[in-house]
Amino acid sequence: GENVEQHPSTLSVQEGDSAVIKCTYSDSASNYFPWYKQELGKRPQLIIDIRSNVGEKKDQRIAVTLNKTAKHFSLHITETQPEDSAVYFCAAPRTGGFKTIFGAGTRLFVKA
Amino acid sequence: EAGVAQSPRYKIIEKRQSVAFWCNPISGHATLYWYQQILGQGPKLLIQFQNNGVVDDSQLPKDRFSAERLKGVDSTLKIQPAKLEDSAVYLCASSSRLAGNTQYFGPGTRLTVL
Repeated sequence: GENVEQHPSTLSVQEGDSAVIKCTYSDSASNYFPWYKQELGKRPQLIIDIRSNVGEKKDQRIAVTLNKTAKHFSLHITETQPEDSAVYFCAAPRTGGFKTIFGAGTRLFVKA
Repeated sequence: EAGVAQSPRYKIIEKRQSVAFWCNPISGHATLYWYQQILGQGPKLLIQFQNNGVVDDSQLPKDRFSAERLKGVDSTLKIQPAKLEDSAVYLCASSSRLAGNTQYFGPGTRLTVL
């Protein structure tokens, strides 16, 4: 079946450093790529997303890049802060949210 | 606008008992999703509704799980009978084509099966 692989599973960085999380998907019909942040005991919250007709999108310290040929997309967080510590999930749904598959998550620790 | 509402927030039951969860999506969102999130894992899609019709229930364990969205708004997810491995957080999400199909999640129901 279709799959989304996310790496690394755990990432520890020093405050102010950058963090990069990568996801690879297998469903060629996926055309929307959101990233969610989930703090302990809370719901997943959308932080940034990208659509298949765009290669890169940036929002302040957060950026997402997409390589449709290679079927992978990445989350980049610059100037990390302790409040960035959380679990981050990628997803790769088809049009209309159909067949949404989430990655297994990356636990990010930002050390002050 | 109000977000996705879910109840109850927590539920503890014994195995073989039944349980039901309720979800009220964001007003106007035609698409509703139920996910199961086991501790340490990503959300797993159980069922997706478009208005009151099912568009995907391929990962729903239909021998024990059922869901409905009779009037195309609120939805209920039921487990009967529950097993130990059903312990998880059950998340409801909704989306709208007009809002780019971004999925907005509710707070979830944490189920513990003893």
